[in-house]
Amino acid sequence: NFMLTQPHSVSEPPGKTVTISCTRSSGSIASDYVQWFQQRPGSSPSIVIFEDDQRPSGVPDRFSGSIDSSSNSASLTISGLRTEDEADYYCQSYDFNNQVFGGGTKLTVL
Amino acid sequence: VQLMESGGGLVKPGGSLRLSCEGSGFSFNYAWMSWVRQTPGKGLQWVGRIKSEIDGGTTDYAAPVKGRFIISRDDFRNTVYLQMNSLKTEDTGVYYCARDQHYSGSGSYPAYWGQGRLVTVSS
Repeated sequence: NFMLTQPHSVSEPPGKTVTISCTRSSGSIASDYVQWFQQRPGSSPSIVIFEDDQRPSGVPDRFSGSIDSSSNSASLTISGLRTEDEADYYCQSYDFNNQVFGGGTKLTVL
Repeated sequence: VQLMESGGGLVKPGGSLRLSCEGSGFSFNYAWMSWVRQTPGKGLQWVGRIKSEIDGGTTDYAAPVKGRFIISRDDFRNTVYLQMNSLKTEDTGVYYCARDQHYSGSGSYPAYWGQGRLVTVSS
C-alpha cells in the first residue's frame, strides 16, 4: 500500500494564499482520485474537494485542488484566507480496495 | 443526508463492542458505507467499507482491523454496523460512519460523515 505525506502545519495571515501538499509514496498520483477534507476543532470532517479538483456546492471558490504528476503530489490551495479556514486538512485517495488518508495538516490563520 | 451513530463506550482489552449507524435522507440500499476512525492526537484512519447489496454487498478492511472487525448492513433498518472484537488499546478513538461516493470500478471516498462515537479500550 502507499502513503500520503502532508506537512504537519502551515501558517499564513488573513487574506493570503496557502497551498497544502500531499505526496504519494508509490504508484501514480493520477491513478486514482484525490479528495480533501476539512476538520474544525470538535467537528466531523467535511469534504472540500473531491475527484482531484471538484468543489462541492457550498464550498467557497477560494478552495481549489490540483494534481501534479511530475512531483507525484496533489495540492489544496486556499486563497483570501479567513479565520474560519483555520482547521486540520486531510488528503485521501484509494488503491486496491483500500482508502488511504494523509497524516493531516494544521492550518493556522493569524 | 444524515448519519446517526450509536453504541461505543468503555471496554476492556480483548472485549467486543458494536457500533450502529442509521442513515436518512438518501437511498440507503444503494449506498456504499464506510467506517473511519480518529485515534487520540492522530489523524484519520480508514477502517473498512461495505458495498451495496446490488453491487455485491462485499466488505473490505484495513490491515490493522482485518480478522477482528466485521461490517454488516440491514437495508430494512437503513443501518450499518461495525462489530469490533478482540479489541486492543490502540483501537481507542472516535469512530465515524460515512456514506461513500463510489465511482468507476471499486473506488470510493467518504462524502458524508456522521458525528462520531468514542470508543475507549482500557483496563
